[in-house]
Amino acid sequence: QKEVEQNSGPLSVPEGAIASLNCTYSDRGSQSFFWYRQYSGKSPELIMFIYSNGDKEDGRFTAQLNKASQYVSLLIRDSQPSDSATYLCAVEGSGGSYIPTFGRGTSLIVHP
Amino acid sequence: ETGVTQSPTHLIKTRGQQVTLRCSSQSGHNTVSWYQQALGQGPQFIFQYYREEENGRGNFPPRFSGLQFPNYSSELNVNALELDDSALYLCASSGTSGYSTDTQYFGPGTRLTVL
Repeated sequence: QKEVEQNSGPLSVPEGAIASLNCTYSDRGSQSFFWYRQYSGKSPELIMFIYSNGDKEDGRFTAQLNKASQYVSLLIRDSQPSDSATYLCAVEGSGGSYIPTFGRGTSLIVHP
Repeated sequence: ETGVTQSPTHLIKTRGQQVTLRCSSQSGHNTVSWYQQALGQGPQFIFQYYREEENGRGNFPPRFSGLQFPNYSSELNVNALELDDSALYLCASSGTSGYSTDTQYFGPGTRLTVL
């Protein structure tokens, strides 16, 4: 059973701070990793994907991947109240199985 | 807006009934995936269709079935509804070969309630 673990939160940070969201996965062969943002009552929207070890930056978002330790994280710099949402980590299956496994998501609250 | 549409938006059914959910993929996309998202959980992969063929299936019973049409729109059918089928059903389209999910865009979802 492939697992993707996320702390459900909520993670509460003040406006302007860095929010750090973490995700661990069990499938050592996974190669593709995704972060989605889901506002309450809405569908997920892709924020970033990462394939290689290290950091990938896109605006205020940075994804970090460490395949040896089997974790992927998402940093949100200068957090804004509009960033308040649930952040879903998704891991693509390995061995020809592209089927993605999602974590249950971490609820982020950015307070003014 | 992703260009992926789903209908209906909300649906209420009773246990034992059958339901059909519909999805129109984004223009140029040939792959459609269906997910079930229970309250407080992440999306669970049901199956994927690529060029009208089922191209992978998650851990769902056979009463969950689907179709993809030549225009790449898709249907999800659920027979013999159970209370636990109550969830948000998400459709996602992608323009890949069917072997990657890196360009997957979700529709707004259909909220199914089974009484």
